[in-house]
Amino acid sequence: GAVVSQHPSRVICKSGTSVKIECRSLDFQATTMFWYRQFPKQSLMLMATSNEGSKATYEQGVEKDKFLINHASLTLSTLTVTSAHPEDSSFYICSARGISGDFYEQYFGPGTRLTVT
Amino acid sequence: KNQVEQSPQSLIILEGKNCTLQCNYTVSPFSNLRWYKQDTGRGPVSLTIMTFSENTKSNGRYTATLDADTKQSSLHITASQLSDSASYICVVSSIKAAGNKLTFGGGTRVLVKP
Repeated sequence: GAVVSQHPSRVICKSGTSVKIECRSLDFQATTMFWYRQFPKQSLMLMATSNEGSKATYEQGVEKDKFLINHASLTLSTLTVTSAHPEDSSFYICSARGISGDFYEQYFGPGTRLTVT
Repeated sequence: KNQVEQSPQSLIILEGKNCTLQCNYTVSPFSNLRWYKQDTGRGPVSLTIMTFSENTKSNGRYTATLDADTKQSSLHITASQLSDSASYICVVSSIKAAGNKLTFGGGTRVLVKP
């Protein structure tokens, strides 16, 4: 159980276009989902926290107008990178919060590799 | 400021050998400490999770220790296999009113050679 999927796994887009990445919790409901970005040889950096039915909370330095997050249901959150530029090329990982025993556990998706040309 | 520091940044070990990864943290208030394994191009997968009162926890060939007094943790890999080649990330959870907040270490990249 506790599987999180992401789609697509890889995407290449041209500079100036927008890209949507989907994150789904397949076998549990997640009121909270998180979006991370990871550059090569670096650890995960939290971009935003997404709560179902409400606006996302963005970390300092993350442009909310550039990285649009929608969490319309308990099993789906989407991240849209608008007007993508080459510097947005990165590995984007989502996670969904569920309960495992006594803990809130974060289950991570497999990631989406975005390349902007 | 909450921080998690891991050492070494990377290491190379021969298949079958053991290794130990270190994690030091300054996170308050402390809730729990997790070790994740992240294969290249994949999302992190949880290995262990420990609370304040737990000193050690094992998951197969992976054994994590926690010293809450010195705020240190280690991850020991026994009889390494080629499939152990990955990044290992130490993550500390602190308790916030709005829910747990995770602080990530920079990771240790492990390469197991035959």
